[in-house]
Amino acid sequence: DAEITQSPRHKITETGRQVTLACHQTWNHNNMFWYRQDLGHGLRLIHYSYGVQDTNKGEVSDGYSVSRSNTEDLPLTLESAASSQTSVYFCASSESGDQPQHFGDGTRLSIL
Amino acid sequence: AQTVTQSQPEMSVQEAETVTLSCTYDTSESDYYLFWYKQPPSRQMILVIRQEAYKQQNATENRFSVNFQKAAKSFSLKISDSQLGDAAMYFCAYRHTGNQFYFGTGTSLTVIP
Repeated sequence: DAEITQSPRHKITETGRQVTLACHQTWNHNNMFWYRQDLGHGLRLIHYSYGVQDTNKGEVSDGYSVSRSNTEDLPLTLESAASSQTSVYFCASSESGDQPQHFGDGTRLSIL
Repeated sequence: AQTVTQSQPEMSVQEAETVTLSCTYDTSESDYYLFWYKQPPSRQMILVIRQEAYKQQNATENRFSVNFQKAAKSFSLKISDSQLGDAAMYFCAYRHTGNQFYFGTGTSLTVIP
């Protein structure tokens, strides 16, 4: 069965470190998204991609970057981790049209 | 920009009873899609139900149904015969004919045995 996998599931790191969260999907979807989930804010869009070599900034993109070198993967990088980036991060993918998004199981990131 | 509002941060329901979760959205589009997702403590995001704006008939999926009022820009979720496994955070989401989704802030549903 097709799936979307995030790794790691949990991570603890220190401020100032570079951190990369992995997202891999086998749906063959063109569209991929990164969200962060914080209490009281729901899901906020960080970056998204509509295809290989395409990346776009979302609502809360400062301090984050993504790259899309193939269809399956959209890694999210925190260039210099800050405590305000402590959150749960979700990757999602979708096809176009009326299709819903499929989500990974999330990564809980703690920055000390 | 599109916004999705869930005005009930928390709701509770007695087991076997019915509960309705509210969602309103703001858009100038005429063609779009609406979704309800469930997030149990396991953190997974699970699709519950979807509705196409051009369809007047309300979507249903077993015990889950929606009340879609296009003119009022309202999309509420009704859960009938509530079960303990329905306890979760519920998110309403909007998607227009582009590819971005917009999520509400969620409603935490407690089911009382």
